[in-house]
Amino acid sequence: QSALTQPASVSGSPGQSITISCTGTSSDVGSYNLVSWYQQHPGKAPKLMIYEGSKRPSGVSNRFSGSKSGNTASLTISGLQAEDEADYYCCSYAGSNTVVFGGGTKLIVL
Amino acid sequence: QITLKESGPTLVKPTQTLTLTCTFSGFSLSTSGVGVGWIRQPPGKALEWLALIYWDDDKGYRPSLKTRLTITKDTSKNQVVLTMTNMDPVDTATYYCAHRPDSTWYFDYWGQGTLVTVSS
Repeated sequence: QSALTQPASVSGSPGQSITISCTGTSSDVGSYNLVSWYQQHPGKAPKLMIYEGSKRPSGVSNRFSGSKSGNTASLTISGLQAEDEADYYCCSYAGSNTVVFGGGTKLIVL
Repeated sequence: QITLKESGPTLVKPTQTLTLTCTFSGFSLSTSGVGVGWIRQPPGKALEWLALIYWDDDKGYRPSLKTRLTITKDTSKNQVVLTMTNMDPVDTATYYCAHRPDSTWYFDYWGQGTLVTVSS
């Protein structure tokens, strides 16, 4: 069970859109529509942003959206805001009662 | 309102066994489909899923740590306990517990985390 692959960092200017990719395998991301995304600010606990690939929990801005194609899931943030600067982690069910996280992506708002 | 809080030692010596307790409120672990998981984060590094326990006492463990981990629940006390044997400095991390909703595979509520340092 290897960690899902995410870019180490992405950046964008306020108002722009960015996409963070999360690449797994046919044993995890590719087999299930069960990818979730978490936002983590420094020193804070992770916060659920997207679940089951593209669903948003109550209270999460509709600027956040999720999608999947094959073994790769993606998180898109539109209308980038300074408060979006944080670390983002994807997570997928990997079968046999296990889950796997990605390596994390640092989002920098320029 | 769902809340979770981790408790346990902040410092353990190498080779010792770590015991962490997650005390929660706002839900019951006897409710069908519900689960509680443990996730850790070494300083400056990524999240790592460790273990999960379900309402029916089924369990799941990180394959690479399976021989060192045990997760149990006490439904009457609203607690989940994680034990990790043979601690090593590389196990230094913030340990989080989190709520898994009904028969799903994501974590919607997290504890604040507890930093555990492994050092002699």
